[in-house]
Amino acid sequence: EAQVTQNPRYLITVTGKKLTVTCSQNMNHEYMSWYRQDPGLGLRQIYYSMNVEVTDKGDVPEGYKVSRKEKRNFPLILESPSPNQTSLYFCASSLSGSGTASSGANVLTFGAGSRLTVL
Amino acid sequence: RKEVEQDPGPFNVPEGATVAFNCTYSNSASQSFFWYRQDCRKEPKLLMSVYSSGNEDGRFTAQLNRASQYISLLIRDSKLSDSATYLCVVTPNTGGFKTIFGAGTRLFVKA
Repeated sequence: EAQVTQNPRYLITVTGKKLTVTCSQNMNHEYMSWYRQDPGLGLRQIYYSMNVEVTDKGDVPEGYKVSRKEKRNFPLILESPSPNQTSLYFCASSLSGSGTASSGANVLTFGAGSRLTVL
Repeated sequence: RKEVEQDPGPFNVPEGATVAFNCTYSNSASQSFFWYRQDCRKEPKLLMSVYSSGNEDGRFTAQLNRASQYISLLIRDSKLSDSATYLCVVTPNTGGFKTIFGAGTRLFVKA
């Protein structure tokens, strides 16, 4: 089954304790991206990756790191989590990051989400 | 001004009603437009892409107005199962490949 898998799905941690949220896709997609969703703000892009070893900042990258060493994996790293990073996180992938809507290449498939609480 | 703006609602409609949502975007060079549906804090899922000429998928019709920089979603004959949050998504064509989400419009369809 074509899917994007995130882990953990739920996590409660404390300020300053490094954590990694993993994301893996099995569709050979080039484009992968991380978002956080907060009430009233919608989904905001944290980082994205056009392909292996190619990453770029989204709109809210502060406090996060990413890496793309393999095409299928795009982990999100919080080196020193803070309470303002408490949020619902989604990983997503698409065949490509560009193209028109009619091409379908940039239609996003999302993981099920990771709910993170930082105390 | 937000790059993508939607009326947050909620829209409360009876079954069988027709309801329309609008979404405005600020970047005139935007390239791709989509409507996603999100149920109860689950992951967003593609509802439909929005083509320049407009497009229809069953009870759903999407339109793009580039001159006024908005897209719309029309739902006819609303079902209880249409209750969800509808997200407007725009991919700007300004270098880089960000995707911009609207904050979503909540729809409640009642029996």
